[in-house]
Amino acid sequence: GAVVSQHPSRVICKSGTSVKIECRSLDFQATTMFWYRQFPKQSLMLMATSNEGSKATYEQGVEKDKFLINHASLTLSTLTVTSAHPEDSSFYICSAREDRAYYGYTFGSGTRLTVV
Amino acid sequence: AQSVTQLDSHVSVSEGTPVLLRCNYSSSYSPSLFWYVQHPNKGLQLLLKYTSAATLVKGINGFEAEFKKSETSFHLTKPSAHMSDAAEYFCVVSGGSQGNLIFGKGTKLSVKP
Repeated sequence: GAVVSQHPSRVICKSGTSVKIECRSLDFQATTMFWYRQFPKQSLMLMATSNEGSKATYEQGVEKDKFLINHASLTLSTLTVTSAHPEDSSFYICSAREDRAYYGYTFGSGTRLTVV
Repeated sequence: AQSVTQLDSHVSVSEGTPVLLRCNYSSSYSPSLFWYVQHPNKGLQLLLKYTSAATLVKGINGFEAEFKKSETSFHLTKPSAHMSDAAEYFCVVSGGSQGNLIFGKGTKLSVKP
C-alpha cells in the first residue's frame, strides 16, 4: 500500500533555530500534501495544504513566514519551522493524497518537535 | 461545512467487553467518513472508511462502523475489547475546504484488565 515516510520522528532544538521536517511518498505521486499540527491531548488541526509546484495555502492563524512549506516534487514536501519558540513544540504530521485515489489519504508517522 | 462530533472524550471498558465510540457528522452532501487510531506518541492508523458503498464497514482488528444517514452517525464498535486497543480514536470526515480531512476531537479508550 501507499507509504509516506516522515523524518525526523523526534527533534529537540534551541529557541531561535530552524527545523526542517520531510515527508516523502515512497510508492506514489503525492499531488497534494497536507500538514497538520497536534497539541498535547488535542486533535489534529490543518495548518496548510501544498500542491506540487505551487505555493502552499495556509489556514487562518498560521504564520506563513514561520512555517515554510515546499512541495518541489511529486514525492517530497518539507515543512520548515523558522525561528522556533517553545510554543511551537507540538506533534507535526503530514498527509499525502494521490489524485487517482481521491479518498486515499496516507499519513506520515509524525514528528515530535520540542523547542527548549 | 463538514464537521464531526465525537460524543465522548473518554471511554473506559473492561477487557473482553464491547466497545462503542460515538460519532455524529454534519455534511451538506454524502460524506466519506473514517476512523483512525493513534497510539501514544505514534502516528495515525486507518481503521476503516466509508465511501458510499455498504453502510456497515468492517475494519482492521475486529472494528466495524455503521453509517446511519437518518441519524447522521458513524459509531465505531468492537465486540470484545483487548488491552492493545487502548489508544486515541478519531472520527474523520472528508470535504475540508482544501480537500483535506477534518478530525473530531478524539476519544480516549482505556481498557481495564
